[in-house]
Amino acid sequence: NAGVTQTPKFQVLKTGQSMTLQCAQDMNHNSMYWYRQDPGMGLRLIYYSASEGTTDKGEVPNGYNVSRLNKREFSLRLESAAPSQTSVYFCASSEGQYSPLHFGNGTRLTVT
Amino acid sequence: AQSVTQPDIHITVSEGASLELRCNYSYGATPYLFWYVQSPGQGLQLLLKYFSGDTLVQGIKGFEAEFKRSQSSFNLRKPSVHWSDAAEYFCAVGADGTGFQKLVFGTGTRLLVSP
Repeated sequence: NAGVTQTPKFQVLKTGQSMTLQCAQDMNHNSMYWYRQDPGMGLRLIYYSASEGTTDKGEVPNGYNVSRLNKREFSLRLESAAPSQTSVYFCASSEGQYSPLHFGNGTRLTVT
Repeated sequence: AQSVTQPDIHITVSEGASLELRCNYSYGATPYLFWYVQSPGQGLQLLLKYFSGDTLVQGIKGFEAEFKRSQSSFNLRKPSVHWSDAAEYFCAVGADGTGFQKLVFGTGTRLLVSP
């Protein structure tokens, strides 16, 4: 039972490069989320998908785009990476809006 | 908008001693409250949640938390800490009546356990 799987685990980018972070869940959850975690800032919501076919901005969406590919998969894209996007990124899923979140193990991204 | 404050950045507790981690929230209506734990290099794991009813909730790993509406608090407690409890702990609040409920997390408290 894998839960929430994120790839890659680590990534180093140069400023201006693009990349996509992948996330998949096998729990048949309706809702999926992308958070970033920075020291002293806790977790901040980037984007979320309440259900398949919908996506909405969270607290810090600038510089990111998302795609809810199907019920299982929710990807996060950085079109032109900036040093300010150096962070640990977590994908999470939940059955619905009042359900606890299940987190992946994170992607540590460094932008130089 | 709702917010969460965890006033302690670091706490050191001796193994076997009791633990209390503080969490204060800001929201006008009845909140949904959660505590999560994060071990190094891992994602967050749910410890316990409060939605309604009994204000003292029990969670996994021997943790409990008490919802106190008058103090806007949801403090996490454990009677006897084990070395394996060393981790970072996050309080989170979700608010009813704001469309799709999204969690807002506190900045975390890192727990160190001394021998």
